[in-house]
Parts: sequence; C-alpha cells; structure tokens
Amino acid sequence: SAVISQKPSRDICQRGTSLTIQCQVDSQVTMMFWYRQQPGQSLTLIATANQGSEATYESGFVIDKFPISRPNLTFSTLTVSNMSPEDSSIYLCSVEEGRGSGEQYFGPGTRLTVT
Amino acid sequence: AQSVTQPDIHITVSEGASLELRCNYSYGATPYLFWYVQSPGQGLQLLLKYFSGDTLVQGIKGFEAEFKRSQSSFNLRKPSVHWSDAAEYFCAFSSMDSSYKLIFGSGTRLLVRP
Repeated sequence: SAVISQKPSRDICQRGTSLTIQCQVDSQVTMMFWYRQQPGQSLTLIATANQGSEATYESGFVIDKFPISRPNLTFSTLTVSNMSPEDSSIYLCSVEEGRGSGEQYFGPGTRLTVT
Repeated sequence: AQSVTQPDIHITVSEGASLELRCNYSYGATPYLFWYVQSPGQGLQLLLKYFSGDTLVQGIKGFEAEFKRSQSSFNLRKPSVHWSDAAEYFCAFSSMDSSYKLIFGSGTRLLVRP
C-alpha cells in the first residue's frame, strides 16, 4: 500500500489565522481525500481531491473555509482558513487503492488546536 | 439511507481473552466492508476488507471478520487479545450508491485489562 506523510503532525494556532496541511504520497494516485476527526468522534469526509479538477466538497464544507490544492498525482494541501476553536480536530488525508472500491489508506493525521 | 452502526462505544476485555466487535450496516445490496484501527495519536490502519467471495476474511495482527448477509453484519474477532490491541476500531463501508466514498461507524474503543 501507499506510504502517506503529512506535515505538520500537530500545531497550535490562534483564532483568525490559517493553516495549510500538506499530504505527500510515495506513488501516483488518482483519488485523494481529506477528513476531519473532531475530538472523540468518527471521521467526516471534507472533500475529494482529484488531480486536474476542482475538489468536490461534502455537505457542510465549503471551499472558502477549506481550500484544497492538488497540483500533481502525489501531493495535496488542505488549508483551514479563519480558524476558530471549533476547528480543533485531527485532519487526515487518504488515498484510494483499487479504483472504485473505496479501499483507502490514511496518513498519520495533523492534530490542530485553535486557541 | 446508508449507514454503519457500531453499537458498543467501549469494550473492556482481559488480555488473552477473545474479542468480538460488532458492526451492522444498512444498505440494500452487498457493500464493500472494512475495519480500521486507530491507536492513540495515530492515523488509521486498515485491518481487513471484504469485497466478495469467502465471507470469513483474515486480516493483519491476527484479526478476522465474518460477513453475514442475513444479519447485515460484519463483526470483527480476535481469539486472544494483546495489550497492544487497545485502540479505537472503526467499521466502514462503501458502495456504488455512495460513489465508493467511505462511510464510517462511530467507533468502538477497546480497553485491555492486564
């Protein structure tokens, strides 16, 4: 399976600022995903990022708040904009292997605390 | 509506005892099914998956799961739990109707008594 890294692994940010999270994969993949995991909760899909097209956002998530870039087949970024304490979560990226199966492999996550 | 239910929020077992974590799904056809484990401070690791065929699937770390269509279940089992198995376990499924996006259950936290 693909090896996925994320930067930063954790950060503490002030409200009103923005943070960009990077996701790097060791092989070319078509589908990349960004998830949010709020404290003590399960994972919620933020958006799907395909190379060469605009990201597709799930209900409740908007591009102005969570802009995503996907410049090539091995890299993506998620920005959390104008942060508030409610954005304190773990943010995870994942990639799909076995096209069309939903089988995904996850990065280690970025733990974000907003003060 | 498609959904995944993990009815147990917490489960505590003694080290060496057997384990079964429950997962039920709601979907009209057979979905693709997955179990993931999240250790404290870690990302998610895929334990096993079911796509079709043999309904008993073997995974990593000595885990197995059985797909039961009649019960819409995909329970995770391990015959002998180790202290290092203490973690959060997530059941997930995908389907054509969800555009193969993963839908996660709420998770079950496993505690292991020495």
